[in-house]
Amino acid sequence: AQSVSQHNHHVILSEAASLELGCNYSYGGTVNLFWYVQYPGQHLQLLLKYFSGDPLVKGIKGFEAEFIKSKFSFNLRKPSVQWSDTAEYFCAVNALNTGNQFYFGTGTSLTVIP
Amino acid sequence: DVKVTQSSRYLVKRTGEKVFLECVQDMDHENMFWYRQDPGLGLRLIYFSYDVKMKEKGDIPEGYSVSREKKERFSLILESASTNQTSMYLCASSLSGASGAKNDMGYFGAGTRLSVL
Repeated sequence: AQSVSQHNHHVILSEAASLELGCNYSYGGTVNLFWYVQYPGQHLQLLLKYFSGDPLVKGIKGFEAEFIKSKFSFNLRKPSVQWSDTAEYFCAVNALNTGNQFYFGTGTSLTVIP
Repeated sequence: DVKVTQSSRYLVKRTGEKVFLECVQDMDHENMFWYRQDPGLGLRLIYFSYDVKMKEKGDIPEGYSVSREKKERFSLILESASTNQTSMYLCASSLSGASGAKNDMGYFGAGTRLSVL
């Protein structure tokens, strides 16, 4: 079965610290990759997505992610976090040729301390 | 502004009741999905649909069914609710690109928090 792994379950950072959240997937074929954010009490929002081309993608609010095909990874980064980045972050993989299903990781809870 | 609307934010039902969760999208998207979100488990796909009257099982379809009579509406049905179906339910929609290579999973509803007592 396909899987998406987010190894960091809870991350606590001070403001201005750099962020990197890991995401690895197990599917060996062509994939589309996504990061979503869920702020407290709000619905899921798309942060960024990768379909093809430049493996370094930039999303909203200063987030970026790098697709490393050889490592089956799509890590999320932000150079300097803010208190308002406190949220839960989900990585998702759309494995093509498997019925277009989307597989989500279990999420990483980020707390940014002012 | 695009919208995926779930009819209820909170529901409380009794064990054995039949429960309907409704989802409507106004973006003319072909694909619609139902997930449940549980702490520590992320989002798990229950059912999805690529077209009207079409449905496919996701990873955890047991105890659920779906209905897609119109393109904009995708309903999740709990035939006989049980306490282990207490969860947050999320509906999502996406647009299919050519050969499915450009699926854009960008749009989620606000969620329905269901409690089964």
